Amino acid sequence: DTAVSQTPKYLVTQMGNDKSIKCEQNLGHDTMYWYKQDSKKFLKIMFSYNNKELIINETVPNRFSPKSPDKAHLNLHINSLELGDSAVYFCASSQAGTSGGGEQFFGPGTRLTVL
Amino acid sequence: AQRVTQPEKLLSVFKGAPVELKCNYSYSGSPELFWYVQYSRQRLQLLLRHISRESIKGFTADLNKGETSFHLKKPFAQEEDSAMYYCALSGHSNYQLIWGAGTKLIIKP
Repeated sequence: DTAVSQTPKYLVTQMGNDKSIKCEQNLGHDTMYWYKQDSKKFLKIMFSYNNKELIINETVPNRFSPKSPDKAHLNLHINSLELGDSAVYFCASSQAGTSGGGEQFFGPGTRLTVL
Repeated sequence: AQRVTQPEKLLSVFKGAPVELKCNYSYSGSPELFWYVQYSRQRLQLLLRHISRESIKGFTADLNKGETSFHLKKPFAQEEDSAMYYCALSGHSNYQLIWGAGTKLIIKP
């Protein structure tokens, strides 16, 4: 009955590889987000989708591409991984139409390590 | 510009002592303020929001529009309060929260 789930939980890969992280929410929310949390625990919004439409696209390298097949899923694909991509990536969801998306519900995070 | 400032990266207090985590914001309208908490190796979760005006796990936070602050307080800290705490603001956009940099709270036994 997990509300927001992400897979994988851990991802260790070599520089230059391409990888994907999947996110699913069963809360019926309209809006989903991807955040990056760096080693200093700074939380940065990357993307947001509302009903499968991209609404927030912060300054993120083109190597990062989100995909939302339906409003319950928001996947993150990363091409040509670099050392600086190592971080914890959080998916979140909220119900649109309320302030700030209302309460945002977070996934458990995916710890990406690029070697 | 919309901004949330948490001036302390790290706050360390003894168990039983009062705790205050500072949050200041910059916003031209009437924002909604939140505190989120992240326990070790766990997901972020909402702790409280100013419109609820409730106490969660002994924590309270009052929105002070004059000082543009939303400090988080607890009169007697417990070891299980050790965590990262994030202050966040929502404004005109329905979709985005503006996040502070976070404060790591350590409660010493």
